[in-house]
Amino acid sequence: AQKITQTQPGMFVQEKEAVTLDCTYDTSDPSYGLFWYKQPSSGEMIFLIYQGSYDQQNATEGRYSLNFQKARKSANLVISASQLGDSAMYFCAMRGVRDNFNKFYFGSGTKLNVKP
Amino acid sequence: GAVVSQHPSRVICKSGTSVKIECRSLDFQATTMFWYRQFPKQSLMLMATSNEGSKATYEQGVEKDKFLINHASLTLSTLTVTSAHPEDSSFYICSARDQALGRPFTEAFFGQGTRLTVV
Repeated sequence: AQKITQTQPGMFVQEKEAVTLDCTYDTSDPSYGLFWYKQPSSGEMIFLIYQGSYDQQNATEGRYSLNFQKARKSANLVISASQLGDSAMYFCAMRGVRDNFNKFYFGSGTKLNVKP
Repeated sequence: GAVVSQHPSRVICKSGTSVKIECRSLDFQATTMFWYRQFPKQSLMLMATSNEGSKATYEQGVEKDKFLINHASLTLSTLTVTSAHPEDSSFYICSARDQALGRPFTEAFFGQGTRLTVV
């Protein structure tokens, strides 16, 4: 079965510093995709970054980068130069070929608080 | 990116009544949409997969007769909470994937969510 684990229920970071949010996963799918979403208090889910299991390079999107270590089954999100607006819940998610690429598996989330 | 619009964003209803939530893909066609439920400070729980022109596929433990899903067109899926009770109060959010993009692992786009309160 697919499983996503986020072990940090809450994190604090000082404004302008970098922070790493942890995500590990478990799957037997030969091919899968890993995603990070941000959910502010308003509730909408904002797509941040995607990493394919066969991608050779770690994904980057602006201040977001994904530290993908396939052998360790980890896909940590790194946010550089944190901003106050980064305070939100962050969810790691995965979808794989076994579910016809449709079904998302979400982690339990990490609440990030950016301090001024 | 693609836009998914969900309406209403908030609704308060009386116990025993039914509530309909709409999910629209605004600039792409979605043969498949997904409905999630989220309790406070918890993760998203997939309730059902909505398939255009056919019956929805419900996750284990989700009551089909309580949560009616209709996907009548390529851009609209609706979730109706029937005979609502206070325990149905929750945050409901839909998502859709633009399968025309051709990548198997395209990101899903989410609606804004609906906060349902049953009194």
